[in-house]
Amino acid sequence: QKEVEQNSGPLSVPEGAIASLNCTYSDRGSQSFFWYRQYSGKSPELIMFIYSNGDKEDGRFTAQLNKASQYVSLLIRDSQPSDSATYLCAVRKSGAGSYQLTFGKGTKLSVIP
Amino acid sequence: DAGVIQSPRHEVTEMGQEVTLRCKPISGHDYLFWYRQTMMRGLELLIYFNNNVPIDDSGMPEDRFSAKMPNASFSTLKIQPSEPRDSAVYFCASSPRGDKNIQYFGAGTRLSVL
Repeated sequence: QKEVEQNSGPLSVPEGAIASLNCTYSDRGSQSFFWYRQYSGKSPELIMFIYSNGDKEDGRFTAQLNKASQYVSLLIRDSQPSDSATYLCAVRKSGAGSYQLTFGKGTKLSVIP
Repeated sequence: DAGVIQSPRHEVTEMGQEVTLRCKPISGHDYLFWYRQTMMRGLELLIYFNNNVPIDDSGMPEDRFSAKMPNASFSTLKIQPSEPRDSAVYFCASSPRGDKNIQYFGAGTRLSVL
């Protein structure tokens, strides 16, 4: 089983709709979970992170974490064409001193005008 | 701050040649990471440094790869000899001490080994 798994997509949603991106992870000791956005030909940029069960909202973005199910998701409300990108889920390994992130391969999102 | 600076942006070389990728982290950041991104394997951590000291190099694929950080403002990733399967985008990222939650990525170096 891969450490961090994402559906590669592409996921297509109409403009204004809610885009739902999902990620599962295998290490139960994982502590923190991150969503990065990567535009084609560009570098990853952090959207948000979450470390407690439940929801965390930041503008149009909501991250959801369920540690019992080892599942994390990202919801994008009122999707815009500018949201079209690849979304990478990342997990920080357990351990107080760990700065390492393990990334999924990403889900490509296309928002159709 | 200019962010994490990587050079060159593009590198085309022939199999067997030595390749050196360069990275300047954000000033004051104590952690530096080297990643490789391919379609097949995604974004993989190769090695990371804390205060110029390599902490974990378990992601370095083989002995042909080496990384150094001679000072707080400069790091290199060297491939010798290079092979076609090394073709990828190589990213450098840095983090400030005490904030594990943010890694700032450079623009990357796109390496093509012919």
